[in-house]
Amino acid sequence: GQSLEQPSEVTAVEGAIVQINCTYQTSGFYGLSWYQQHDGGAPTFLSYNALDGLEETGRFSSFLSRSDSYGYLLLQELQMKDSASYFCAVSATNKLIFGTGTLLAVQP
Amino acid sequence: DGGITQSPKYLFRKEGQNVTLSCEQNLNHDAMYWYRQDPGQGLRLIYYSQIVNDFQKGDIAEGYSVSREKKESFPLTVTSAQKNPTAFYLCASSTSGTEETQYFGPGTRLLVL
Repeated sequence: GQSLEQPSEVTAVEGAIVQINCTYQTSGFYGLSWYQQHDGGAPTFLSYNALDGLEETGRFSSFLSRSDSYGYLLLQELQMKDSASYFCAVSATNKLIFGTGTLLAVQP
Repeated sequence: DGGITQSPKYLFRKEGQNVTLSCEQNLNHDAMYWYRQDPGQGLRLIYYSQIVNDFQKGDIAEGYSVSREKKESFPLTVTSAQKNPTAFYLCASSTSGTEETQYFGPGTRLLVL
């Protein structure tokens, strides 16, 4: 079968760094994506890793280890507006498979 | 402006009624998708389409139907066979089926009266 696991909730303070982990079991793996969804809104694409290593995009970075079936999203210099749900998603054949999401609460 | 639109924003369904959710994109994307999201949950794939006049079932297709007569449009019908339809429905599109970046519409919230 196909499954993704990520923590259900994470809390951090403004200005801090937080890491959201994602482990997966799937066939036909092409890469790992991360999406952000604010309450009541649509998911928006953050990053994608097809190869092992770290990808950096501004305050956000994403890491992938294909051998460990593991990845993470790193958010630096947290801001209040980063409070949202974050989903990892595996690119399989012709579709994405989403995790259940991590609710990040940023406190002042 | 290019984008993906969904209508209506809120939809109410009576028992035994079929309802259709609209999804339109002007991004010239080949692939389109429908997801269902329940409170506090992830996105579950209902149907997807890689090309006009072709579509495949996702993980939770029972009680739903779709059509893809035009590249820009991918409407979803929630039939009376779907016994628990209350959810947030999201439509997405991508350049191709292997594209990792999907662009989402604003969603339709379906409620049962």
